[in-house]
Amino acid sequence: DAGVIQSPRHEVTEMGQEVTLRCKPISGHDYLFWYRQTMMRGLELLIYFNNNVPIDDSGMPEDRFSAKMPNASFSTLKIQPSEPRDSAVYFCASSEQGARYNEQFFGPGTRLTVL
Amino acid sequence: GEDVEQSLFLSVREGDSSVINCTYTDSSSTYLYWYKQEPGAGLQLLTYIFSNMDMKQDQRLTVLLNKKDKHLSLRIADTQTGDSAIYFCAEREDKIIFGKGTRLHILP
Repeated sequence: DAGVIQSPRHEVTEMGQEVTLRCKPISGHDYLFWYRQTMMRGLELLIYFNNNVPIDDSGMPEDRFSAKMPNASFSTLKIQPSEPRDSAVYFCASSEQGARYNEQFFGPGTRLTVL
Repeated sequence: GEDVEQSLFLSVREGDSSVINCTYTDSSSTYLYWYKQEPGAGLQLLTYIFSNMDMKQDQRLTVLLNKKDKHLSLRIADTQTGDSAIYFCAEREDKIIFGKGTRLHILP
């Protein structure tokens, strides 16, 4: 398996633009997580899905952020409009329900820079 | 509420032992984890310990769990330059909660 795939790996955009981050989880995994990592706040859980259904979006910072999972093999995180304080590395992770210790497998991340 | 605390930085000389500490709040956590993040990459599970264990050893890694004090530690023996990374402590009850990570710097 190729692991969790994220695209793009790097994104540079201007304030006010829409940004869409993409994630393909590991095949067969039924949990998908979106995280944001910054030096100041560390690793933050934004939202997670179980069987394509959003379970907890309490970490989504504000209405400018939205996430979807239209099917088991694809998820998007959208920021509209983007702001400089959204600059961070965004990680997607997936895991398998019932796995003995519920290991989460992380993608390589998308480094977002909002100018 | 759920919270995982760990120091942000640790510097260790090559060949010495590194000890990274963590405290957590959820006494009902079933698993506790250490994840490693190398530069430019996502997190990878390094090791884990089940909540009914006190210690787990895996080659150069030793995990100690003190449930009474809700304290978890990771000891890396004979620290090498390849151990330079950010180490995240995490606990799991219904979902995994990560600490902010400890950046391990290896001194020559």
